[in-house]
Amino acid sequence: DIVMTQSPDSLAVSLGERATINCKSSQSVLDTSTNKNNLAWYQQKPGQPPKPLIFWASTRESGVPERFSGSGSGTDFTLTISSLQAEDVAVYYCQQYDTTPSFTFGPGTKVDLK
Amino acid sequence: EVQLAQSGAEVKKPGESLKISCQGSGYSFTDYWVGWVRQMPGRGLEWMALILPRDSNTKYNPSFQGQVTISADRSISTAYLQWSSLKASDTAMYYCVRHLAPGFDYWGQGTLVTVSS
Repeated sequence: DIVMTQSPDSLAVSLGERATINCKSSQSVLDTSTNKNNLAWYQQKPGQPPKPLIFWASTRESGVPERFSGSGSGTDFTLTISSLQAEDVAVYYCQQYDTTPSFTFGPGTKVDLK
Repeated sequence: EVQLAQSGAEVKKPGESLKISCQGSGYSFTDYWVGWVRQMPGRGLEWMALILPRDSNTKYNPSFQGQVTISADRSISTAYLQWSSLKASDTAMYYCVRHLAPGFDYWGQGTLVTVSS
């Protein structure tokens, strides 16, 4: 089974500053037949369901602000919030998918305001 | 607008059975895999199971195989998750999700299940 890890566990960022979250998978999630990484990112605010942010490691979902970006390939991925806003305080999860199908989430990274 | 409307919160005793529901609307219910994700109190997310309502093909996370049953009724665009004998450790929020590779593009509001004697 693919294991997902995230770092850091939590971080505090000032308004307008950059937040960077790392996600690592125990095996490559790159689908060589499509050349796409089967990796998604979600944002979960307290008392709400997770909200999809990014699919295929770097494609923003419709309506997601441009300050959110995803990068990486294979086993190492990054979610970047370029200029943190107050409404971005949340827990962020990465998730891998394989065509078994099987889905595994990372443990989450909590983002707070400094 | 795609929506997944889940049934309300439940309080049950250990050993009792339970079936929670998720009604999809705003899209062709039979054409997308629908599933369930568990979130235990203060914890992360765990995928449990998927069903394709078109033919009731099911996929389970091995960790949940035999512990729960996923089903669907195409006629009312509703998916279900059921337990035959609840345990205290089943206490969690359960989210209904629609699968669009590589993840879940729509989420229900969640159903809180509390199992306590």
